[in-house]
Amino acid sequence: GAGVSQTPSNKVTEKGKYVELRCDPISGHTALYWYRQSLGQGPEFLIYFQGTGAADDSGLPNDRFFAVRPEGSVSTLKIQRTERGDSAVYLCASSLLSSTDTQYFGPGTRLTVL
Amino acid sequence: QKEVEQDPGPLSVPEGAIVSLNCTYSNSAFQYFMWYRQYSRKGPELLMYTYSSGNKEDGRFTAQVDKSSKYISLFIRDSQPSDSATYLCAIGSGGSNYKLTFGKGTLLTVNP
Repeated sequence: GAGVSQTPSNKVTEKGKYVELRCDPISGHTALYWYRQSLGQGPEFLIYFQGTGAADDSGLPNDRFFAVRPEGSVSTLKIQRTERGDSAVYLCASSLLSSTDTQYFGPGTRLTVL
Repeated sequence: QKEVEQDPGPLSVPEGAIVSLNCTYSNSAFQYFMWYRQYSRKGPELLMYTYSSGNKEDGRFTAQVDKSSKYISLFIRDSQPSDSATYLCAIGSGGSNYKLTFGKGTLLTVNP
């Protein structure tokens, strides 16, 4: 079956602009995660959804970052007033039922803030 | 001190070599240990996971965890050019081990 998909694959924006990154999890997966991977680093946890609700948003770096999952499937990561330091690959992952299940990652969205 | 330390390499080996990749971690409460493989411009994919100390084998791959030393390893036998990738150790925390803390990753190149 189809894996996790993320759009766009690449996003270039200017400092101060607003961006939205989309994640389509594997069909039927109830848990969804966002991670951020900076160059030369491992992914860093941002937020975890169980269904429609954010069960843990402790990794969001500041209030410019927000994520939603209104129908318990597709999720959108929103970044306001982008800064050059936000440049990274944003990875989405999903798992079947609970957070103990294997996390399957998408290919990521490469965000560049000029 | 970072929670998970991993030597970023790069590591270059000839085809057929045995590869050893390692991580150390600082929090003894960690209880779920994983290795992910990440090809260039792709998302990480899970290779192996374990909850306990000891060895776990899957084909050419062996994962080893030593909780007393807070040390985890991945061994790759008979390495192939297709194994060339970045290998990331990850440790699960949070109430149900969902919050993965990754090492920096080790870039491995297997030369034919």
